Amino acid sequence: ETGVTQSPTHLIKTRGQQVTLRCSSQSGHNTVSWYQQALGQGPQFIFQYYREEENGRGNFPPRFSGLQFPNYSSELNVNALELDDSALYLCASSGGTGKGQPQHFGDGTRLSIL
Amino acid sequence: QKEVEQNSGPLSVPEGAIASLNCTYSDRGSQSFFWYRQYSGKSPELIMFIYSNGDKEDGRFTAQLNKASQYVSLLIRDSQPSDSATYLCAGTSGSARQLTFGSGTQLTVLP
Repeated sequence: ETGVTQSPTHLIKTRGQQVTLRCSSQSGHNTVSWYQQALGQGPQFIFQYYREEENGRGNFPPRFSGLQFPNYSSELNVNALELDDSALYLCASSGGTGKGQPQHFGDGTRLSIL
Repeated sequence: QKEVEQNSGPLSVPEGAIASLNCTYSDRGSQSFFWYRQYSGKSPELIMFIYSNGDKEDGRFTAQLNKASQYVSLLIRDSQPSDSATYLCAGTSGSARQLTFGSGTQLTVLP
C-alpha cells in the first residue's frame, strides 16, 4: 500500500512569488486535507477536498487555493508569498470523514520565504 | 474559537516509566480524537485514535477519553528513549471534521 507522498521536499521562494505544492493520497483514500505547521506549533487546517470539491476551509486568506484531481491527488497553491508563509506544509489523506477515518500525513514540504 | 490545549512540557521520564500526556478540548461537538507522534523535522505519525468514552489500548499505548470532562489522555507504558518526540493531540471539528491540534507536548525519555 502506497502512503501519502508530497513534493517537493524543500522549497525556497522570495516574497511576492507563487508556489505550487503537490500531494498524492494513500491508495483508496478520497479525502485530502492540507495543513500549515509553523515552528513549535501544531498544524493548522487550511482546507479539505473530497471528490474534487472543497469540503471545508480554515482561517486562511484566498491567496491559498487548491485543487483535487480525479485520481484524488491534490495541489496547494499560494500566491503573493509572505514571510509568514514560511512553514512545513502537510498533506493528509483519509478514506472519508467518518469517526473511524484517521488522517495519515505525508512527509511534508518545507517552504522558506526569503 | 474551538481549541485543543496540551501541557506544553517539556516532560521527562526515566526509561521504563509510564509517561502521561494530557489534552483538553473546548468543542463539545468533537467526535474523534487522535494522538500523533512527531519527531524533530519529520511529519506527524498516527499513534492512536479514540471516539468512545473510556480506554483504548494498543500495545504500550493507552488512550483515554472522558467526554463529560472534555479530556483526552495518552499513557505510554515502559517508555523507551525512542519514544522521545513531540506528541500532538487533535480533535475533529467543523463540517469537514478537520483536525484541530494542540501545540504539542515534548517528551524526553532518559536512558
